[in-house]
Amino acid sequence: QQQVKQSPQSLIVQKGGISIINCAYENTAFDYFPWYQQFPGKGPALLIAIRPDVSEKKEGRFTISFNKSAKQFSLHIMDSQPGDSATYFCAASGWDSNYQLIWGAGTKLIIKP
Amino acid sequence: EAGVTQFPSHSVIEKGQTVTLRCDPISGHDNLYWYRRVMGKEIKFLLHFVKESKQDESGMPNNRFLAERTGGTYSTLKVQPAELEDSGVYFCASSSKTAATNEKLFFGSGTQLSVL
Repeated sequence: QQQVKQSPQSLIVQKGGISIINCAYENTAFDYFPWYQQFPGKGPALLIAIRPDVSEKKEGRFTISFNKSAKQFSLHIMDSQPGDSATYFCAASGWDSNYQLIWGAGTKLIIKP
Repeated sequence: EAGVTQFPSHSVIEKGQTVTLRCDPISGHDNLYWYRRVMGKEIKFLLHFVKESKQDESGMPNNRFLAERTGGTYSTLKVQPAELEDSGVYFCASSSKTAATNEKLFFGSGTQLSVL
């Protein structure tokens, strides 16, 4: 119940296209859902986060869509650029995880020029 | 402002040896976290310090792992004796507020540990 399942494992998108990464969770106590972006040789960095009181949050070309009833959330990257090539991690936390982040396995995104 | 610094960036040791990883958090960040990622798998929480106290160590795999944060500044994570399954990337992160506030975590670049 403490798992976060992330898909796909890897994704190749043409420049200018839309990249979509999905995550699913089981624990209804989770109430914070961040996405982290990691470039090779660096640590993860917070990209965008959402709470379940809203269904969507947008920051520039990055959008989180949240479906509370389905217990799913996704990251959409519009107009994907080669500089977006990175590994993306979804995560979730709540009182039931002692507020520690439970992470997905990561998606390696490659944007082809 | 300096970010989170981890040392060494890479470590290759033999099974049974001891390795000590170090993390210097962002100055003023009371919260320090250790995580581990085994190749291709999810990032897993190991433990959380608030200043020099262990707030949550529920993710520590076993008693071969010892984390310390003397004086509430830098932290060390010692693995003794190392086993093959300990291989992975060890990340340290810090934040100014507690996990309950969903504060942004600042990560170091990680230590790639290979146990042969």
